[in-house]
Amino acid sequence: EAQVTQNPRYLITVTGKKLTVTCSQNMNHEYMSWYRQDPGLGLRQIYYSMNVEVTDKGDVPEGYKVSRKEKRNFPLILESPSPNQTSLYFCASRAGVAGANVLTFGAGSRLTVL
Amino acid sequence: AQSVAQPEDQVNVAEGNPLTVKCTYSVSGNPYLFWYVQYPNRGLQFLLKYITGDNLVKGSYGFEAEFNKSQTSFHLKKPSALVSDSALYFCAVRDMGDYKLSFGAGTTVTVRA
Repeated sequence: EAQVTQNPRYLITVTGKKLTVTCSQNMNHEYMSWYRQDPGLGLRQIYYSMNVEVTDKGDVPEGYKVSRKEKRNFPLILESPSPNQTSLYFCASRAGVAGANVLTFGAGSRLTVL
Repeated sequence: AQSVAQPEDQVNVAEGNPLTVKCTYSVSGNPYLFWYVQYPNRGLQFLLKYITGDNLVKGSYGFEAEFNKSQTSFHLKKPSALVSDSALYFCAVRDMGDYKLSFGAGTTVTVRA
């Protein structure tokens, strides 16, 4: 089944404790992206990647890092999490970079930072 | 810059009645427009998109949307709503010359039996 898989789905952590949210897609998609969803704000893009070793900042990159060493994986790293990073996170991918191809989303990762 | 506005936080309708979820957009060039739906504890699912051509786009689950260039709108519609349509709906826009997809804040739809 074609899908985007995120782990963990739920995580409670404490301020300053580094964590990584993994994202993997099995569709050979070039483009991958991370979003955070907050009430009243919709989805805001954190980082995106147009291909292996090509990443760029989205609208809210502060406090996050990403890497794209392999085409299928796009982990989101929080080096020193803070409470304002408590949110619902989505990874998404699509075929190609240009064009109107549709984003496929993961099921989401709910992160709480105490 | 591109942006999307969904003017209604919530829409409440009775089952069997028409459903409309409003969306307006702003782009510097020509838009690609999308609607996604999010059910509780799930990721976003694609409903439909407008690329070019016919202004009326038909999508999944009986939904359709009308592209109106003069009003820069892309309202989502369903002629007869079901209780199972209760969900969070997102409109999104992408300028044809850009890579980024911008989302609206979302509209919560509640369909009462």
